Amino acid sequence: GQQLNQSPQSMFIQEGEDVSMNCTSSSIFNTWLWYKQDPGEGPVLLIALYKAGELTSNGRLTAQFGITRKDSFLNISASIPSDVGIYFCAGHDSNYQLIWGAGTKLIIKP
Amino acid sequence: DSGVTQTPKHLITATGQRVTLRCSPRSGDLSVYWYQQSLDQGLQFLIQYYNGEERAKGNILERFSAQQFPDLHSELNLSSLELGDSALYFCASSAFRDRGISPLHFGNGTRLTVT
Repeated sequence: GQQLNQSPQSMFIQEGEDVSMNCTSSSIFNTWLWYKQDPGEGPVLLIALYKAGELTSNGRLTAQFGITRKDSFLNISASIPSDVGIYFCAGHDSNYQLIWGAGTKLIIKP
Repeated sequence: DSGVTQTPKHLITATGQRVTLRCSPRSGDLSVYWYQQSLDQGLQFLIQYYNGEERAKGNILERFSAQQFPDLHSELNLSSLELGDSALYFCASSAFRDRGISPLHFGNGTRLTVT
């Protein structure tokens, strides 16, 4: 079935660093959604994107809906300890089925 | 707080048993989704209901079933439980069904441990 390629799988970062992760698909998507999951909790919606080229910010987070409609990225600026967790991308494909990426695990270097 | 309520928070049971997980969607949301997340894994879509009717099915085992009631709450029934069914089970809700580009909002899950 339809799959999203989310990368990187995990990231070790220093506090204060900027972070970038992305998702790509082999076909066109109608939406891109970015979620964050803290341990033992449900995913929380960070940013929703509905149009090709759309660039949206939520505090230190910025996400873009790729112009080809086949990709999206999420950037986190000046990371802080509470940014650790798993970030998931998801999107509605041409059949409006919601497809999920495998997640990017963000870890702060001690 | 997402507005999606799941009970119970934790469930410990033995192999072969049957359990029921409950979900109340956000006020006004008609769609309910169930997901399974095993340890350090991604989200596996199980099933979606819209306004009481099954809308989409994912990789849901035959031992599992779900329903959505007239008040829109949903239950996920897991039977003949196996050790491998131990996981976090999430419910999510959204406003739309077809051409639904409404984001999902998740509850905090039920952690099922099968011993």
